[in-house]
This record gives sequence, C-alpha cells and structure tokens, in this order.
Amino acid sequence: AQKVTQAQTEISVVEKEDVTLDCVYETRDTTYYLFWYKQPPSGELVFLIRRNSFDEQNEISGRYSWNFQKSTSSFNFTITASQVVDSAVYFCALSHTSGTYKYIFGTGTRLKVLA
Amino acid sequence: GAGVSQSPSNKVTEKGKDVELRCDPISGHTALYWYRQSLGQGLEFLIYFQGNSAPDKSGLPSDRFSAERTGGSVSTLTIQRTQQEDSAVYLCASSLDGRVGDTQYFGPGTRLTVL
Repeated sequence: AQKVTQAQTEISVVEKEDVTLDCVYETRDTTYYLFWYKQPPSGELVFLIRRNSFDEQNEISGRYSWNFQKSTSSFNFTITASQVVDSAVYFCALSHTSGTYKYIFGTGTRLKVLA
Repeated sequence: GAGVSQSPSNKVTEKGKDVELRCDPISGHTALYWYRQSLGQGLEFLIYFQGNSAPDKSGLPSDRFSAERTGGSVSTLTIQRTQQEDSAVYLCASSLDGRVGDTQYFGPGTRLTVL
C-alpha cells in the first residue's frame, strides 16, 4: 500500500525552539518523490521541497532542514529557531511511479509557534 | 502574476444552488488538479486534467460534481444542487507535465459555504 503518515496532529513550541515534524511513507516503488508543503492561515499550499528516492543527502535551506532516511522510510522536517511566522499546517506528500501524477498526502501537522 | 489563481476566493450559496469555481493555472503547465479540503482535514483528490482531457475523475464524490478545461488552460469545477456537506476549501494545482515527481503548485483556494 502507498501511504504517508504524519503522526503528529498538532505541535506547540515557544519561539526560538527547534522543532521536528515527522513523515513516514510506504511504497513498493523504487522510484518515488517526497514533498513538503506549508499551509499558512491564508490557506495557500506553499511548496517547500522535493526529494527523489535516489538522493538521500540531507538538505538545508536557511532555518529549514530535511532528513531523508530510506532505511526507516522517513522524511522528517526540522525548523531551527522557530518563529511565529512558521505557524502553519505542514503536509508531507508522496509521488510514486505506479501512481504517476497522483500525490498521496499525509493528514498534516499543525505547528503553533508561541511568542 | 506567475502563480495559480482561483476565483472566487469565497463563495456562500444556498443549498440546492449550482456553483462554478474557476482555476487559472501557471502558464505552460499542461497538468491541472482539483482537490478538496474539509475543515481540519487533509487533501482529497478530485480530478486530474492533462491538457483538455480528464483521464482520472475517480475522486469526484458524486455525479453532482463535474469539471472541464478549455484551451489547455482555465478549468471550471461545477457543483450542482449543492449540499451542506460540500462546504470546504477547493484547491487547484498545476504542474508542468503530470509525470511522476512533477511538482504541483497550488492556488489560494475557494472557500465554499453552503447554507
């Protein structure tokens, strides 16, 4: 079965804390892509990152970093020194060969960063 | 204006009325997708267009829902005889060609409220 699990429904942190959002996926395909999107209160999903299954290098972009581990089927997202503007719902998604264009989305993690 | 645009941003209608939601994808993107997001829920796939054709309508919840795309660009999602359970945010996305791993870019959504 193809599936994306975001077990954390809601996380609250205090500003400047680091926070990690978990994403665990299931797929039988060897070629697949993983994505993270941010949905702020305004509602629009904002693309953050795309990672293919052959590239396990971790990526850092400013305060954001992603840890892709095929051994545990996880693609976790860490925000360092969180800010109030990071408050949003974050979605992890999977695009796999047998699904072609279809994304499988996780149910999202709501992050609240308190001032 | 390079992003996906949707109109209207908000729509309030009475039960039983028909509504039309519009999506204008990123120029040059051949693939277009409609999703539905109910309050506090994840994203539910509705329909996928490649050019003007819709090879996958599997997500449309009932025959009251239909969609078309003309000129390989603008798409309209029509809901006939709206019901209260149709209340949700309807999100449109587009991508370059709909292949595996193609990044989908989302519009701001249309919030539909059926009274």
